[in-house]
Amino acid sequence: DTGVSQDPRHKITKRGQNVTFRCDPISEHNRLYWYRQTLGQGPEFLTYFQNEAQLEKSRLLSDRFSAERPKGSFSTLEIQRTEQGDSAMYLCASSLGGLRGTGGGANTEAFFGQGTRLTVV
Amino acid sequence: GENVGLHLPTLSVQEGDNSIINCAYSNSASDYFIWYKQESGKGPQFIIDIRSNMDKRQGQRVTVLLNKTVKHLSLQIAATQPGDSAVYFCADPYNFNKFYFGSGTKLNVKP
Repeated sequence: DTGVSQDPRHKITKRGQNVTFRCDPISEHNRLYWYRQTLGQGPEFLTYFQNEAQLEKSRLLSDRFSAERPKGSFSTLEIQRTEQGDSAMYLCASSLGGLRGTGGGANTEAFFGQGTRLTVV
Repeated sequence: GENVGLHLPTLSVQEGDNSIINCAYSNSASDYFIWYKQESGKGPQFIIDIRSNMDKRQGQRVTVLLNKTVKHLSLQIAATQPGDSAVYFCADPYNFNKFYFGSGTKLNVKP
């Protein structure tokens, strides 16, 4: 399977615990995106990387959230001290984007993983 | 920020009929649009895309129309099938390198 893969697919955690999700993008894609999706809503942008650089973070990404892409390949999204409001589907996507170091917009579609469904109890 | 949005939240069609799903965008500089299909419990899947130098693009049973004058695009699905039941999103990757999504249109195909 050469698509975007996410792990785990489902995570149930107690409020206050930390969780970490992993995303493996399509190998040649330089851009990686994290989105959050709640029931009945479209995906909401959280953050994106161009190679290993995290170029933008949404206001949705509170201080409890941190994302990394240390080698420009896989990425992790960590949520510390989870709250019930964090319950959602967390989607990862990758694409071929603009040139490194530029602000060029994406010029190809983003491919999404199947998501990690987080339930905070 | 500027983004894309959907006109209708839910669309019900009879199996075999054609479906039309609409989307509006606000950034006149947007030059690339993508339609995604999302089935329950799955991530969005690419259906078709269109660039601003075109006003129509056809795929297999799907056609996307782009009207830059009124900043509107539509997805037409011919001979809608039960497997087409899903939520459909249009996305605009122009702004700030992010893909903006609206709340989507849920397509219900009645047998």
